[in-house]
Amino acid sequence: EAQVTQNPRYLITVTGKKLTVTCSQNMNHEYMSWYRQDPGLGLRQIYYSMNVEVTDKGDVPEGYKVSRKEKRNFPLILESPSPNQTSLYFCASSLSRGGPYEQYFGPGTRLTVT
Amino acid sequence: AQTVTQSQPEMSVQEAETVTLSCTYDTSENNYYLFWYKQPPSRQMILVIRQEAYKQQNATENRFSVNFQKAAKSFSLKISDSQLGDTAMYFCAFQTPGSARQLTFGSGTQLTVLP
Repeated sequence: EAQVTQNPRYLITVTGKKLTVTCSQNMNHEYMSWYRQDPGLGLRQIYYSMNVEVTDKGDVPEGYKVSRKEKRNFPLILESPSPNQTSLYFCASSLSRGGPYEQYFGPGTRLTVT
Repeated sequence: AQTVTQSQPEMSVQEAETVTLSCTYDTSENNYYLFWYKQPPSRQMILVIRQEAYKQQNATENRFSVNFQKAAKSFSLKISDSQLGDTAMYFCAFQTPGSARQLTFGSGTQLTVLP
């Protein structure tokens, strides 16, 4: 089954404790992206990657890091989480050329930083 | 930068009736793509329908259709014969062709279908 998986689905942590949210896709997509969803703001892009070892900032990259060492994986790293990073996070993937290709979304990760 | 506006935070409709969700956007691009995504209580993001700006014909997917007015920069979603399973948050999204493939989302419209 073609899918994007994220782990964990729910996470409660404390300010300053480093964490990683994993994202993996099995569709051989070149493009992967991270979004955060906040009430009244819709989804906003954090980082994206066009292919292995190619990443770039989206609209709200502050406080986040990413890496793309393998085509299927695109982890989101919060080095020192803060309460304003409490949000619902989505990973997405798609083909990278032409379009409009559908972006396939993972199930979301609900993060709470206290 | 592109912006997407959904001016209706909440809407409701009776089962089997028709409802229209509005979306406007602002861009200086001539070629772009528009999408409607559905987010049910499960939080999964599901693509409902897409429209390419260079196509004049409005897209249709079963009970879902759009009214795309390029000059007015308007992209509304019409849901016919509403069903209880249509209850969800609906997001309008904009994308320009090219390498970034970023989706710019509106703030969403919470649709409730009433029995």
